[in-house]
Amino acid sequence: QKEVEQDPGPLSVPEGAIVSLNCTYSNSAFQYFMWYRQYSRKGPELLMYTYSSGNKEDGRFTAQVDKSSKYISLFIRDSQPSDSATYLCAMTAGGYQKVTFGTGTKLQVIP
Amino acid sequence: GAVVSQHPSRVICKSGTSVKIECRSLDFQATTMFWYRQFPKKSLMLMATSNEGSKATYEQGVEKDKFLINHASLTLSTLTVTSAHPEDSSFYICSARDSLTPYEQYFGPGTRLTVT
Repeated sequence: QKEVEQDPGPLSVPEGAIVSLNCTYSNSAFQYFMWYRQYSRKGPELLMYTYSSGNKEDGRFTAQVDKSSKYISLFIRDSQPSDSATYLCAMTAGGYQKVTFGTGTKLQVIP
Repeated sequence: GAVVSQHPSRVICKSGTSVKIECRSLDFQATTMFWYRQFPKKSLMLMATSNEGSKATYEQGVEKDKFLINHASLTLSTLTVTSAHPEDSSFYICSARDSLTPYEQYFGPGTRLTVT
């Protein structure tokens, strides 16, 4: 079993839709949870990070962490074509510990 | 936000030659830098972790004599692919970590290596 599981997609949605991206994990030691956005042929860009369980909102993006279920989510409201990218979840047990990445979910927002 | 640059963005080399890729943190001091390979539809594969002024720590299965890493300063790390072969063709991405926010990694734009 992989430490982090993420549906690779692709996920196609119409412009304006609410997008839900998810990851599950098996390592209960993970405490920090990140979401990265990666455009084609570019390096990943940090979108959001969350410590432990709870929600965090930043503009159209909301990150949720449910440690009891070992499940994290990223919601994108009012999705735009410019949101089309691959979204990677990442997590680590501690600040200086190794970061484990999901495989990424490819999202396409259709105008 | 923190900026990490990588050079070159794309390189084509002949089999048997060596290629050096540079990774720079432009507006912060990176005590730790990471090197990854990324294959299509696969997750980022950590190759090695380098701390400024010390030897890199390689992940299992990564040949340290083939992938030479140098982290000579707080803003620069280099990855040299020695005696490159076609199977080394990949997307190589570096990232850097700021000591103030150690759980955040800032990625470079990546280097596409093609070995012919």
